[in-house]
Amino acid sequence: EPEVTQTPSHQVTQMGQEVILRCVPISNHLYFYWYRQILGQKVEFLVSFYNNEISEKSEIFDDQFSVERPDGSNFTLKIRSTKLEDSAMYFCASSETPDGTNYGYTFGSGTRLTVV
Amino acid sequence: QKEVEQDPGPLSVPEGAIVSLNCTYSNSAFQYFMWYRQYSRKGPELLMYTYSSGNKEDGRFTAQVDKSSKYISLFIRDSQPSDSATYLCAMTRRYSGTYKYIFGTGTRLKVLA
Repeated sequence: EPEVTQTPSHQVTQMGQEVILRCVPISNHLYFYWYRQILGQKVEFLVSFYNNEISEKSEIFDDQFSVERPDGSNFTLKIRSTKLEDSAMYFCASSETPDGTNYGYTFGSGTRLTVV
Repeated sequence: QKEVEQDPGPLSVPEGAIVSLNCTYSNSAFQYFMWYRQYSRKGPELLMYTYSSGNKEDGRFTAQVDKSSKYISLFIRDSQPSDSATYLCAMTRRYSGTYKYIFGTGTRLKVLA
């Protein structure tokens, strides 16, 4: 079964450092997303991406965050200057349709980001 | 009022029980609903997708949407210990051609052997 792959599974970084979280979405999917989940809290929408541009973003997704599809397969989330409160599990997801008709969104296993 | 409310549990049931998991929401414009299962330290895994009101069945799982009450449910029949996980509801409406799913906090389910 096709899956969304995320690397690394765990990243520890110092406050103020830049991090790049990587994702390989399912190959025939056109819509890509980043969500995050702070420990013990709910899954929160960060950003959606289609046709090489951001289609929707949340208030969490400020100027410190950026997304890119550098080639035909990877989808990345960059945090420019990490803060302690950025510590969370970051999930990448992809879908065939923007509303998730029939097959929903397929999520990766996540990258646990720890900012120290 | 939160957009999506879900009892965090934990909910403990004996093996073989019928489980009922619920979410309420405040935005009457929501039309697309999903239920996800999340095992510890893993990504959410889609269980059911429903559009608008009605019921949908898939194996041991049944999803119900009651838009008039702004209430959705997931029923699990013949529950198994392997069903022990956190169950997340998610929902959205169309925002100028895009969608952003809002998740509930999740209900932790424990099925006891």
